[in-house]
Amino acid sequence: EAGVAQSPRYKIIEKRQSVAFWCNPISGHATLYWYQQILGQGPKLLIQFQNNGVVDDSQLPKDRFSAERLKGVDSTLKIQPAKLEDSAVYLCASSMTGGLYEQYFGPGTRLTVT
Amino acid sequence: DAKTTQPTSMDCAEGRAANLPCNHSTISGNEYVYWYRQIHSQGPQYIIHGLKNNETNEMASLIITEDRKSSTLILPHATLRDTAVYYCIVRVLSGAGSYQLTFGKGTKLSVIP
Repeated sequence: EAGVAQSPRYKIIEKRQSVAFWCNPISGHATLYWYQQILGQGPKLLIQFQNNGVVDDSQLPKDRFSAERLKGVDSTLKIQPAKLEDSAVYLCASSMTGGLYEQYFGPGTRLTVT
Repeated sequence: DAKTTQPTSMDCAEGRAANLPCNHSTISGNEYVYWYRQIHSQGPQYIIHGLKNNETNEMASLIITEDRKSSTLILPHATLRDTAVYYCIVRVLSGAGSYQLTFGKGTKLSVIP
């Protein structure tokens, strides 16, 4: 089966610019996650969707980050304006439910903010 | 915060068993232990999970101590492709009422030819 797709794979922007990342989860997966992974650290959950509703966004910096999952399939994560500390890999994952099922991760988008 | 403790790094000879330990002394009775790994420049990959019984699948075995305070992930015959960061995670119920995975820094496993 096709895996989780993400684009772009790499993005370089200047601070204060905006950027958007796209994720297409595995077909049929109701739960979608966005993680931020800073170099040398494990992934950190930013937001979790169940279908097109937000389950948990407690760790999302809402003053600059936003995410949506229209129609309960694809999702977009946006940063506006970007800061230097936003340089990281942004990972999208999906699972069949938010329960015991494993999460399948995409390859990530590597963001560099200069 | 992560509820697990893992060694920062380990080496293993190719073809030998790799035994990766994890301490989770504060685990609750209904919390599962998950293992994921992350190969360089890729997203994390699920390996295995368990509650209290030992588990085995095509990738690895998970041995959980009787008191559930620690576990060991076993890769029976390590290959160079098993070189990765291995994360031991206790799945917790978040304040929002959803189950989440909180990743720590993991163990960097290097398989040596």
